[in-house]
This record gives sequence, C-alpha cells and structure tokens, in this order.
Amino acid sequence: DAGVIQSPRHEVTEMGQEVTLRCKPISGHDYLFWYRQTMMRGLELLIYFNNNVPIDDSGMPEDRFSAKMPNASFSTLKIQPSEPRDSAVYFCASGTENTEAFFGQGTRLTVV
Amino acid sequence: GQNIDQPTEMTATEGAIVQINCTYQTSGFNGLFWYQQHAGEAPTFLSYNVLDGLEEKGRFSSFLSRSKGYSYLLLKELQMKDSASYLCAVRDLATNAGKSTFGDGTTLTVKP
Repeated sequence: DAGVIQSPRHEVTEMGQEVTLRCKPISGHDYLFWYRQTMMRGLELLIYFNNNVPIDDSGMPEDRFSAKMPNASFSTLKIQPSEPRDSAVYFCASGTENTEAFFGQGTRLTVV
Repeated sequence: GQNIDQPTEMTATEGAIVQINCTYQTSGFNGLFWYQQHAGEAPTFLSYNVLDGLEEKGRFSSFLSRSKGYSYLLLKELQMKDSASYLCAVRDLATNAGKSTFGDGTTLTVKP
C-alpha cells in the first residue's frame, strides 16, 4: 500500500481564496483524521470520521473550515475564505480500531 | 479534557542514552503512543503502551505508569539520525488511536 496520500504537498494562496486539501486514506482503514500543525499550537485534531461519517468536529476552528468524506477512499478539507492565520501544515491520517494513526506527508499551506 | 506535558528540548551525545518524559492528566485513558517526527516530515509511530510496564523495540523502549500518569521513551545507542521531535499522545477512553491528544513534542538534538 502507498500509505496515506495527500495533495497538494504545498499550496500558496491569497487571503480570501478558497483552499481545498485532499486525502486518500489507506485501504481498509475505517477512521480518517485531519490534523493541523503549527509552531505555536502543535498538532491539533480538527475533525475525524468513522466509516465516512463525521464523529467529532469540535476541533474545527470556525465556520470557514469544512470537511467531507464522500466515500471510503477520499476526503477533503476546505477553507473558505482563507486567512493568513490558517497557514500551517495540514496532516491527514487514517487507522482502525486497533492500530495507531498512519499520517500522510502533509500539505504545507501558506496564505498571503 | 486532556493535558500532556513534555520537555521542549533535549540534547544528547551520539552513542549515549536519553530518556524523554511525558506526564498526562486525562478524563479517560485508553493507551499512550510515542511518535517520531523529523523536520518537514510526517509523524511516524514508534510505540504503544496500554498496560503498566516497559515495551522494548530495538534501541527504543517505552514505559508507562497509569497510576502516576507518566510515561517515558528511552533511546539507546543514539545516532545522529535520531535528531527529531518526539511526540507523546494519549488516547481517550471511548475512541480510537486517531482521537489522541498530542503533547507539544520534545525536540531532541544528537551531537557528535
């Protein structure tokens, strides 16, 4: 298996633009997680899904952030409109009930 | 909620042994993970403890005391490539590995 695949690896966008981050989890994993990592706040869980259903989105910072998982092999995290303070590395991870979380390589987002 | 504390930085010498401590206060506990994260890369799984005691995996060992809310990661025969951030993560009672709360990480620098 290729592991968790995220795209794009890097994204630079202007403030106010919409940003969509994509994730393909490891096949067979029924949990999918979106994390954000910054120097100031460390690694924060934004939202997670179980069997494509959002379970806990309490970490989503505000209404500008939304996440979807239309099927078991794909998820998106959208920011609209983006702001400079959203600049961070966004990680997607997948796992099962009995495994650790497997992380993708992350998307480095810069909002200017 | 969960509160996890780790030292911010540590320095050690190549070939030596280093112990990275992690203390936690949680409303529920269902396991503790250690991850390694090299600069610019994703976190990768190192170890998992759910019962008290020591788990050994090659040069790395992890210890847990649930009554004390304490864990440590022990790295032996340090190599330059061990320079990285080490993240302690605690899993909540009712959820799986991904819904873990991460500490801010300990940046380890290995010097020749």
